[in-house]
Amino acid sequence: DSGVTQTPKHLITATGQRVTLRCSPRSGDLSVYWYQQSLDQGLQFLIQYYNGEERAKGNILERFSAQQFPDLHSELNLSSLELGDSALYFCASSPGTGDVAYEQFFGPGTRLTVL
Amino acid sequence: GESVGLHLPTLSVQEGDNSIINCAYSNSASDYFIWYKQESGKGPQFIIDIRSNMDKRQGQRVTVLLNKTVKHLSLQIAATQPGDSAVYFCAEKSWAGGGNKLTFGTGTQLKVEL
Repeated sequence: DSGVTQTPKHLITATGQRVTLRCSPRSGDLSVYWYQQSLDQGLQFLIQYYNGEERAKGNILERFSAQQFPDLHSELNLSSLELGDSALYFCASSPGTGDVAYEQFFGPGTRLTVL
Repeated sequence: GESVGLHLPTLSVQEGDNSIINCAYSNSASDYFIWYKQESGKGPQFIIDIRSNMDKRQGQRVTVLLNKTVKHLSLQIAATQPGDSAVYFCAEKSWAGGGNKLTFGTGTQLKVEL
């Protein structure tokens, strides 16, 4: 158990809908990262937050957004869902950021299925 | 742009044998690499890391080798056990603007045969 929790574990929804994925980082970790894992794209970085501020951005679609709250939990919002958004979404956390090799600890993921 | 790729999608080994999983990267400026293990239904789990000022690093039953000349990374698992069956990813860590991210390779499925 990495200490990172994600809810829900599974999510099934329809095209055009909006969903929110939730992540609680390990106790004391200030950075939260979101990754998408799909069969065709592999594991891809979406976005990082550090202590409430966006710090790094990957190939995140404009339909997707995230935020980190004062209690450090994070939410990933996916809207106008398409079939291709079906994937595993992982959250990871680390103590800090910047030019230091902090290990990222991954949660168990949320499996999103768009029908 | 950055890319991290793997040579083999599937590797089958006998229990007790050594396993070698390979990874190629394209960004010669990369200076920090990590190997992750992902078991079915779980998130990636850190195995071992290496910085570019090293060419070898050892952990418990695992060794990572880095060849910067040919931009190649390998993970060696000694005395492979059934519990080692998983997908293994190499990843490159990069930093920019006070943030950081991991760029993952495509993954190698390791199957341990009894």
